[in-house]
Amino acid sequence: AQTVTQSQPEMSVQEAETVTLSCTYDTSESDYYLFWYKQPPSRQMILVIRQEAYKQQNATENRFSVNFQKAAKSFSLKISDSQLGDAAMYFCAYRSASNDMRFGAGTRLTVKP
Amino acid sequence: KAGVTQTPRYLIKTRGQQVTLSCSPISGHRSVSWYQQTPGQGLQFLFEYFSETQRNKGNFPGRFSGRQFSNSRSEMNVSTLELGDSALYLCASSLASGGADEQYFGPGTRLTVT
Repeated sequence: AQTVTQSQPEMSVQEAETVTLSCTYDTSESDYYLFWYKQPPSRQMILVIRQEAYKQQNATENRFSVNFQKAAKSFSLKISDSQLGDAAMYFCAYRSASNDMRFGAGTRLTVKP
Repeated sequence: KAGVTQTPRYLIKTRGQQVTLSCSPISGHRSVSWYQQTPGQGLQFLFEYFSETQRNKGNFPGRFSGRQFSNSRSEMNVSTLELGDSALYLCASSLASGGADEQYFGPGTRLTVT
């Protein structure tokens, strides 16, 4: 069974600095997709970034980038130039072509002014 | 384009009752997934519907059921409510089922069982 592990329940970063959130997953499949979702205190989840496993190049979306290590089954999220609006719960998620989305337990990110 | 809407937003029920939650996906989206979110268990997948057919089902008892209508709107039903069913129920829609398609989440329905 596919599992997603986020080992950091809470993280803190100073405004304008960089923070990395960790995620590892377990799967025997070769074709899958990885996602980072953000859930601000208002509770509506939004997609931050996604990565197709077949792509070697790490995905980037503005200040957000990932470090995808397929062999190590690691998918970390780097947030550069952190802003107060980045404060939220961040969920790492895994999905294969035919299966449901599996989420990690989440990391609560606090941004200090 | 309007986002995913869920009704009602808040609900209080008594043990033993049943409840129906509704989800209207983004126009054009044919896949709807349901999740249960609790502080203890996190986000857990309930089921996914695509074109009125259940594609996947999570590890939940048969008290949890769902359906999807021809306009892609979806409902989930929980019968014989238990205290442990208190949770935030999230609905997410996407264009297709599975794969890299982004899921767009609704604001959720907060269910409290007393």
